[in-house]
Amino acid sequence: DTEVTQTPKHLVMGMTNKKSLKCEQHMGHRAMYWYKQKAKKPPELMFVYSYEKLSINESVPSRFSPECPNSSLLNLHLHALQPEDSALYLCASSQDSILLGGTDTQYFGPGTRLTVL
Amino acid sequence: SQKIEQNSEALNIQEGKTATLTCNYTNYSPAYLQWYRQDPGRGPVFLLLIRENEKEKRKERLKVTFDTTLKQSLFHITASQPADSATYLCARSGANNLFFGTGTRLTVIP
Repeated sequence: DTEVTQTPKHLVMGMTNKKSLKCEQHMGHRAMYWYKQKAKKPPELMFVYSYEKLSINESVPSRFSPECPNSSLLNLHLHALQPEDSALYLCASSQDSILLGGTDTQYFGPGTRLTVL
Repeated sequence: SQKIEQNSEALNIQEGKTATLTCNYTNYSPAYLQWYRQDPGRGPVFLLLIRENEKEKRKERLKVTFDTTLKQSLFHITASQPADSATYLCARSGANNLFFGTGTRLTVIP
């Protein structure tokens, strides 16, 4: 199984809502990532989990809260978002961290299109 | 600061021709570079990785070169087809993550 799945595909939420994005991979990868992508821009890294521990938080506002329940699952909890948070949210995984001498070729999910009203 | 740049925002090419996309990097020496394809509204898909000691890497109609003197990687699609139309991203590795170039949107005209 070489697939990263993300749910939901689309999400519309109000600024007072609480919602969660989910990501799953069964490739045995030990690094997982959340990216945010605005139209016509490259993906921007938000969080990195390595061996289920948060290793990078790229100064993301606290209204985004990541969670890694186990090595296959990654969640992104959303609360009190702003309209400017509307974007495509991408999850990715990679087999090895480059710190372990591997390459960080990443496998991306299809993304969740988030609209904040 | 370490930068990775793709000079062309968009490239139009006639079907059957070879498309050549450019990725430049400054202020560092990457051990390898990666190329990804992204279709609208979808996640990027890994295509090729080339290491600094490799001059060239091929996969079917795709070819990537790595010139450490010019600090540049070129990505070629030979015999281009309309189905090759997409945004192509080059990426370099950071401490534990990827940094993407801004991407080149390729359109292959039938």
